[in-house]
Amino acid sequence: GESVGLHLPTLSVQEGDNSIINCAYSNSASDYFIWYKQESGKGPQFIIDIRSNMDKRQGQRVTVLLNKTVKHLSLQIAATQPGDSAVYFCAENRNAGGTSYGKLTFGQGTILTVHP
Amino acid sequence: GAVVSQHPSRVICKSGTSVKIECRSLDFQATTMFWYRQFPKQSLMLMATSNEGSKATYEQGVEKDKFLINHASLTLSTLTVTSAHPEDSSFYICSARDPGKSSYEQYFGPGTRLTVT
Repeated sequence: GESVGLHLPTLSVQEGDNSIINCAYSNSASDYFIWYKQESGKGPQFIIDIRSNMDKRQGQRVTVLLNKTVKHLSLQIAATQPGDSAVYFCAENRNAGGTSYGKLTFGQGTILTVHP
Repeated sequence: GAVVSQHPSRVICKSGTSVKIECRSLDFQATTMFWYRQFPKQSLMLMATSNEGSKATYEQGVEKDKFLINHASLTLSTLTVTSAHPEDSSFYICSARDPGKSSYEQYFGPGTRLTVT
């Protein structure tokens, strides 16, 4: 069930700085990972994804790093802007097959605040 | 890109009444849709997987008789919260998978804020 009173981790940066948001996942069988951005009162917005056969993938201003040895995922945002302020979630697809096919499990989330 | 809409965006209802939330894929046909619930300052929790033409698959701990899901067409899934109570107040978000694209990519709707008084 849900954790009542859980506080999301927070990250505050200055505009123009680089941001690194971290995520630990638990299932070594997960084969696909996604980072989502969620602004207040809105649905999650896709940022970037990576498959388990890769350890790095770059997009526009964003890079995702995957370390399967320690089950760690990170999102790097270059030259962070005030518009990047939001909650960031990692999600994993647990490749358990059958009824788990295509289902995503979301991480805790991190609140990113960018100060002008 | 693929667009998913939800209706209504917010709804207030009285305790004991039922509320229906619609999720539509606007520019693709979605054989599978997912329903999530999100409490304030928390992550998304998957409630159920909605498959077109068949019964929904519910996650452990989610009451299927309370959260009725119908996926009657390839572009529409509905979630009905029956006999709603204040503890059902939450942000409900749907997502849809485009079978023509990556198997795991999901497109999310804008969410529906439900407040039960």
